[in-house]
Amino acid sequence: DIQMTQSPSSLSASIGDRVTITCRAGQTLSNYLNWYQQKPGKAPKLLIYGASSLQTGVPSRFSGSGSGTHFTLTISSLQTEDFATYYCQQSYSVPRTFGQGTKVEIK
Amino acid sequence: QVQLQESGPGLVKPSETLSLTCDVSDDSISSYYWSWVRQPAEKGLEWIGRVYSTGIINYNPSLKSRVTMSIDTSKNQVSLKLSSVTAADTAVYYCAREIVTAGRAFDYWGQGALVTVSS
Repeated sequence: DIQMTQSPSSLSASIGDRVTITCRAGQTLSNYLNWYQQKPGKAPKLLIYGASSLQTGVPSRFSGSGSGTHFTLTISSLQTEDFATYYCQQSYSVPRTFGQGTKVEIK
Repeated sequence: QVQLQESGPGLVKPSETLSLTCDVSDDSISSYYWSWVRQPAEKGLEWIGRVYSTGIINYNPSLKSRVTMSIDTSKNQVSLKLSSVTAADTAVYYCAREIVTAGRAFDYWGQGALVTVSS
């Protein structure tokens, strides 16, 4: 199984802040890395696929980068609706695996 | 846009079999992989396995001995069975569609079905 490690596990930020979440894989993924946002009581929502492609309908303040084993999700200017938990997920091989999540909270 | 709806018993006794179905709202069922993902309360996401209309099935090795997935294209339905359940299997269970190309991401998810294992 490919181990996915996110950092930090949680962070506090203010509206308008630039936020970066890191995801590291236990082996190379090429660009088979996806990012999801999950709000309490809701299903995860796809934000970024293929490491850097923005899913249709997702605001452009979200961006993804990286390849190989090191990836980042950036929110350029944090908005109220962005307070949630974010997960990375590798789609390079089965079993599919997720990072442990990063909870973004209001400072 | 496609809609996914999980259904099944919300309460299962220990040692019994958990059974869930996922109804897919359109005919895309034959063109995508369909995965089950679970999430215990306040914890992260765990991929259980996936099924494709051609009969390709992949299971998570950690659950493989207890999991059975199937697909019924005539009913636009995907099914999950998990046997010999324990309290550790208590979770919200999601079905999700996996894009075959474009990063192979999960682009649509059901709302989730809470399953509690308790006597």
